[in-house]
Amino acid sequence: NAGVTQTPKFQVLKTGQSMTLQCAQDMNHEYMSWYRQDPGMGLRLIHYSVGAGITDQGEVPNGYNVSRSTTEDFPLRLLSAAPSQTSVYFCASSPGSYTGELFFGEGSRLTVL
Amino acid sequence: GNSVTQMEGPVTLSEEAFLTINCTYTATGYPSLFWYVQYPGEGLQLLLKATKADDKGSNKGFEATYRKETTSFHLEKGSVQVSDSAVYFCALNYNNNDMRFGAGTRLTVKP
Repeated sequence: NAGVTQTPKFQVLKTGQSMTLQCAQDMNHEYMSWYRQDPGMGLRLIHYSVGAGITDQGEVPNGYNVSRSTTEDFPLRLLSAAPSQTSVYFCASSPGSYTGELFFGEGSRLTVL
Repeated sequence: GNSVTQMEGPVTLSEEAFLTINCTYTATGYPSLFWYVQYPGEGLQLLLKATKADDKGSNKGFEATYRKETTSFHLEKGSVQVSDSAVYFCALNYNNNDMRFGAGTRLTVKP
């Protein structure tokens, strides 16, 4: 069972470069989200989607874009990478509203030089 | 706004010791409360949850009780094992669109 799959697992960028973190889930979950994990700060929500064609901002959306063209995929785009975006990024999905249980991918470690 | 505060780590225990990781929350209304665990190199996975006051969540020997009067959801285990070494996150969810996580507590269990 694949669950939530993130690629790449590791990435090094230079300041100003752009890239896309991929996230795919095979559980037919309506809800998908992106978090970043920083030491001492836990996980913070970047963007989320409650279904195909619907996205919204979370707690820390600046510098990131998302789209949701299918139920399965929810890519996260960094438009112009900055050192402050060095972090571990997690994609998560949930089967529906108000269950609260999130299923996480294994994470993508991004370093911006 | 909604937020979670959990005890800072790291916590180091000997095998078979008793574990408590404190978690308190601030929220409007009645959120659902969760403990997630992150093993090295992996994503978070749900450990246990409670959806209303006085509910007790339990799994793998871990327990936590939703205390509305003290706005707390402390994680406990009577006898920890080396395999319990991980980072533990307390979290709350009010409308499923914004799960709020604590900063995480790293637990190391030594044989």
